[in-house]
Amino acid sequence: EIVLTQSPGTLSLSPGERATLSCRASQSVAGYYLAWYQQKPGQAPRLLIYGASSRATGVPDRFSGSGSGTDFTLTISRLEPEDFAVYYCQQYGSPWTFGQGTKVEIK
Amino acid sequence: QVQLVESGGGVVQPGTSLRLSCAASGFNFSTYGTHWVRQAPGKGLEWVASIWFDGSKKYYANSVKGRLTIFRDLSKNTMYLQMNSLRAEDTAVFYCARDPCGGDCAFDYWGQGTLVTVSS
Repeated sequence: EIVLTQSPGTLSLSPGERATLSCRASQSVAGYYLAWYQQKPGQAPRLLIYGASSRATGVPDRFSGSGSGTDFTLTISRLEPEDFAVYYCQQYGSPWTFGQGTKVEIK
Repeated sequence: QVQLVESGGGVVQPGTSLRLSCAASGFNFSTYGTHWVRQAPGKGLEWVASIWFDGSKKYYANSVKGRLTIFRDLSKNTMYLQMNSLRAEDTAVFYCARDPCGGDCAFDYWGQGTLVTVSS
């Protein structure tokens, strides 16, 4: 089973700033099978990025994903008020696993 | 539009059973893989179980293997999660989700979840 470790646990930033979230895998993720999700309180997760770097339908271009192998990054170029949320990385393919999440909070 | 609607959650005692449903609409259910993911109160996401678009493959997290069973009824466009021998640590919001590759892609749509509380 691939273990995903996200850092930092909490990121305190102001609107307009750049956010950089990290996801490190315990072993190489095959085929770029790495996704990122956003979750707001009381809501279901929302797919942002799949295939490590492809944006899902309707996702603003301020969200970008990069990385390969064991190191992946989600970047939010300029934080909007609606971007403050918890973000999870996921590797898909049995067994599917999620990172523990990074909370992006308003500074 | 694509909809996934979970139901069947509730408060149950340890050791009992519960069946969750996930009703799908707005897409061709028979060509999508579907999955269950849970989230304990205040915690992160945990993958629970997956079933391939044609039902040919089923996968379970180690924490639920032997107690939970995933299955689908294509005639009803519905996926189920039969949960037996429930434990306090199964308390969570259970989400269903689909993937567009038949079973091996990211989860592009999620339901709103149904809460299961296991408590005496």
